[in-house]
Amino acid sequence: GAGVSQSPRYKVAKRGQDVALRCDPISGHVSLFWYQQALGQGPEFLTYFQNEAQLDKSGLPSDRFFAERPEGSVSTLKIQRTQQEDSAVYLCASSPPWLLINEQFFGPGTRLTVL
Amino acid sequence: EDQVTQSPEALRLQEGESSSLNCSYTVSGLRGLFWYRQDPGKGPEFLFTLYSAGEEKEKERLKATLTKKESFLHITAPKPEDSATYLCAVQVKGGSEKLVFGKGTKLTVNP
Repeated sequence: GAGVSQSPRYKVAKRGQDVALRCDPISGHVSLFWYQQALGQGPEFLTYFQNEAQLDKSGLPSDRFFAERPEGSVSTLKIQRTQQEDSAVYLCASSPPWLLINEQFFGPGTRLTVL
Repeated sequence: EDQVTQSPEALRLQEGESSSLNCSYTVSGLRGLFWYRQDPGKGPEFLFTLYSAGEEKEKERLKATLTKKESFLHITAPKPEDSATYLCAVQVKGGSEKLVFGKGTKLTVNP
């Protein structure tokens, strides 16, 4: 079956531009997570959803970062007024209902470069 | 604060030379410890979940073990295709489902 997909795979933005990154989770997966991975570092948590509810957004670095999952499936991470420090790989992961198993399955990521 | 530390940062092995990667963690309560493999330009690929001290899991040349303070990923007779960055992460009890990752160990296996 299809895994987690993300688009675009690469995005170049000029400083100050807004960007939107999309995540399509595995069908039937209830939880969806966003992580940010800087070069040479492990992924860092940004936010997560259970269905359409955003249960934890404690990792969002500033109010320029906004995530939504309006119908409990596809999610979009939006970054307003991008800054150079936003350059990173943005990873999306999804997970089945936690009572059964709670491994997170990752997509390939979107590499964002802010010039 | 929940913390995960992986060592070494980088490891070079010859093909067939067994070794271990370490992941030490400090958490208020462990729900699970996860090992992932990450190849360049790709997302992390799930390997194992360990839930309690004393647990072990195996997959091909990899074996993961867990104590109350750390986990080891043992690699037996590695092959060049085992070259990747190995990430350790914890999920904490009673809180968010988020994973807290270490910085990873970059493993290179030379033929």
